[in-house]
Order: sequence, then structure tokens, then C-alpha cells
Amino acid sequence: GAVVSQHPSWVICKSGTSVKIECRSLDFQATTMFWYRQFPKQSLMLMATSNEGSKATYEQGVEKDKFLINHASLTLSTLTVTSAHPEDSSFYICSGGGGNNQPQHFGDGTRLSIL
Amino acid sequence: GDSVTQMEGPVTLSEEAFLTINCTYTATGYPSLFWYVQYPGEGLQLLLKATKADDKGSNKGFEATYRKETTSFHLEKGSVQVSDSAVYFCALSRNRDDKIIFGKGTRLHILP
Repeated sequence: GAVVSQHPSWVICKSGTSVKIECRSLDFQATTMFWYRQFPKQSLMLMATSNEGSKATYEQGVEKDKFLINHASLTLSTLTVTSAHPEDSSFYICSGGGGNNQPQHFGDGTRLSIL
Repeated sequence: GDSVTQMEGPVTLSEEAFLTINCTYTATGYPSLFWYVQYPGEGLQLLLKATKADDKGSNKGFEATYRKETTSFHLEKGSVQVSDSAVYFCALSRNRDDKIIFGKGTRLHILP
């Protein structure tokens, strides 16, 4: 079946660092991918919709300058957390595929810890 | 707007007990409904789905039926195992834009 690969799975870095997370669709083309954020013991919050070849669509309250999304090809979307701070520490998950009543396929997530 | 409401956890059961996790939704049109499971330290896995009214999704002994009249999609399993301990998310997909709306999740603990 369709697989979404997310990398890295875990990253620890100092405050002020920018961190890039990659989300790849391995056996399907994704014109649209989604980025979620999950706080401990909470549900997934949709951050933005990544659109191939155009600007991402951000949900209300999500800082687009803080969370940069690039979707330059049909198989790769990236999320860059710029100048990360401890409050950005979270579990970030991407998804792709779906359409025609089919479920999204989720990456395994990236645990980001900012010291 | 569209939303999903599921019972709050944690839910603690003994092995072989019967499980029900309630889920109701609010949506315009005819969404697709899903249950996802998240095991400790892992991402989300699709557990089962239903795309139209009266459809029953099933997988690994879990079942859920799409009830349009009650706008519900309750998850059931007749005999749970310790390995079923995880967080379960009810979700709907807005077919017009493929966005998924998640419930808050229900943490399930199964005791041996």
C-alpha cells in the first residue's frame, strides 16, 4: 500500500536553530499533503495544507513565518521550523494521499525537542 | 463547522473485556469516517474506515458502523488484548478538500 516516509524521526537542538522535516510519498504522487502538530496527550491539530507548486494554506493561528512549508515536487513536502524555541517542542506528523473517499496515509512523525 | 466528539479517557479494561469507544460527528454533506490508532511513540495507523451510511468498517477484531441517523461511528471490540493498549482517534474526512478532522483521542489501557 501507499507509504509516507517522514524524516527525521527525532531531533534535539538548541534554541534559535532552524529545523527541517521532510515528508515523502514513496509510491504515489501527492499534490496535497497535510502537516499536523500533536501536543502530549492531545489530538492532532492541522497546521497547514501543503500544495505542490504553490503556497501552503495555513490554519488560523499558525504562524506562516515560523513554520515554512515547501512542496516543490509531487513526492516531497518539507516543514521548516524557523528559529525554534522550547515552546515549539512537539510531535509533528505529515500525511498525504487520500481523495475519492480514501484515507490519508500518515508518516511516523517527528519528535522535536528544543533545549 | 465540522467536528468530531469522542469519549474522554483514559479507559481501563481487563483483558478479554468488551470495548466500546463512542464517537459522534457534526458535518455538512456526507463525510468519510475513520478510526486511527496510535501506539506509544509511533505515528498514526488507519484502523478502519466507512465511506457511506450503514457501512461497517472492521479490522483486527474492531468494528464500527456509520450511522447517519445518529451521526455516530462507535468503535467496538468483543475481547480486548493487552496489545490493544493505545490511543484511538475518531476522524472524518471532508470530501470537498480531503482535510481530516480528528477527535481528541481516547487512551485505552488493557490490564493483563
